[in-house]
Amino acid sequence: GDSVTQMEGPVTLSEEAFLTINCTYTATGYPSLFWYVQYPGEGLQLLLKATKADDKGSNKGFEATYRKETTSFHLEKGSVQVSDSAVYFCALRRQNNQGAQKLVFGQGTRLTINP
Amino acid sequence: DGGITQSPKYLFRKEGQNVTLSCEQNLNHDAMYWYRQDPGQGLRLIYYSQIVNDFQKGDIAEGYSVSREKKESFPLTVTSAQKNPTAFYLCASLPGYRGRQPQHFGDGTRLSIL
Repeated sequence: GDSVTQMEGPVTLSEEAFLTINCTYTATGYPSLFWYVQYPGEGLQLLLKATKADDKGSNKGFEATYRKETTSFHLEKGSVQVSDSAVYFCALRRQNNQGAQKLVFGQGTRLTINP
Repeated sequence: DGGITQSPKYLFRKEGQNVTLSCEQNLNHDAMYWYRQDPGQGLRLIYYSQIVNDFQKGDIAEGYSVSREKKESFPLTVTSAQKNPTAFYLCASLPGYRGRQPQHFGDGTRLSIL
């Protein structure tokens, strides 16, 4: 079945460091890919998405490119801030024949940014 | 502002007790979802509903039940049959059951055993 594998955390960086969180997936066809962010005690917020190969999603300085050849969707940011501390989830979306959407999530990567 | 409201934020269950988690949305979305989140794990789908009076089991439905009597409401009952209910529960919704939009999430309910 479909699955998503994320880089294990926790990840701790200093402010202004470069961030990469790896995400690879296993799926038939070409699912849409997402990064969600979860701040402490809150639900998930969509960070960015890509719906087809070579698409680049970007938001708030974060970027991820849909790489079909490596089945990857790595999250990057050039200069992280303390406010970026959160848990990040990579996910893929499948739709069944009835049009029902299902999301498959990675296990999440906890990111801590120190000032 | 439109959104998804989950209540309560924290809930405690005694052994052998059923508890119900509330999820209400005023986004006029057709599809609604319940996920369970355990520490160090991703989200797992419990149940989902594409339209009123219809719902389907997700990957971990055993020990849970749902209803969808109104478009805006999708309550989740954690029954006594669920032997390990301690987790963070998230509700989500989509504009249409053939949705191509990302899911919107509530802020979650944390359930613990007394």
